[in-house]
Amino acid sequence: AQSVTQLDSQVPVFEEAPVELRCNYSSSVSVYLFWYVQYPNQGLQLLLKYLSGSTLVKGINGFEAEFNKSQTSFHLRKPSVHISDTAEYFCAVSENTGFQKLVFGTGTRLLVSP
Amino acid sequence: KAGVTQTPRYLIKTRGQQVTLSCSPISGHRSVSWYQQTPGQGLQFLFEYFSETQRNKGNFPGRFSGRQFSNSRSEMNVSTLELGDSALYLCASSRGGTGAKSYEQYFGPGTRLTVT
Repeated sequence: AQSVTQLDSQVPVFEEAPVELRCNYSSSVSVYLFWYVQYPNQGLQLLLKYLSGSTLVKGINGFEAEFNKSQTSFHLRKPSVHISDTAEYFCAVSENTGFQKLVFGTGTRLLVSP
Repeated sequence: KAGVTQTPRYLIKTRGQQVTLSCSPISGHRSVSWYQQTPGQGLQFLFEYFSETQRNKGNFPGRFSGRQFSNSRSEMNVSTLELGDSALYLCASSRGGTGAKSYEQYFGPGTRLTVT
């Protein structure tokens, strides 16, 4: 069965600084990878996805992520964060089995301060 | 395109009661999945429906059930509510079918269920 590990439960960072949120996954079959963001009292918003092709994927709000198959990682990065990026970020994996089941990491709370 | 909608947004129920939550997917999406989010367990998969059939089920007791209608709208039902069922219930829709893009899931705002 697949699993996702987000090692950092909370990442504090100053505004305009770069940030990296780490995600590692485990699966015995090919997978699709996703990052979602959740603002307080809201649902999940899809930030970006890796389905195939280029291992560097760009998403909304200036975020990007790189799929590294050998290290089974899919780290999320942003070169310069804003106060409005403060939120919970979830990494998720879906195995290529024909079923739409997402397995999520435990989430990383990004705290951006002035 | 309108996004995924969920009703109601908030619910307060008493232990032992039952509850029904509703989800309307993005137009054209045929797959609907349900997830439970709690502070202790995080985001957990409940079940997925495609073309009115349950295709996949998570590790939840039989008190949790669902269905999907011919217009792809879905409902989930929880019977004999327990305090531990208090959670944010999220519905997600995807195109379904075959191909990598069928795995992209888009979430609704969720229904916050409080069991007292």
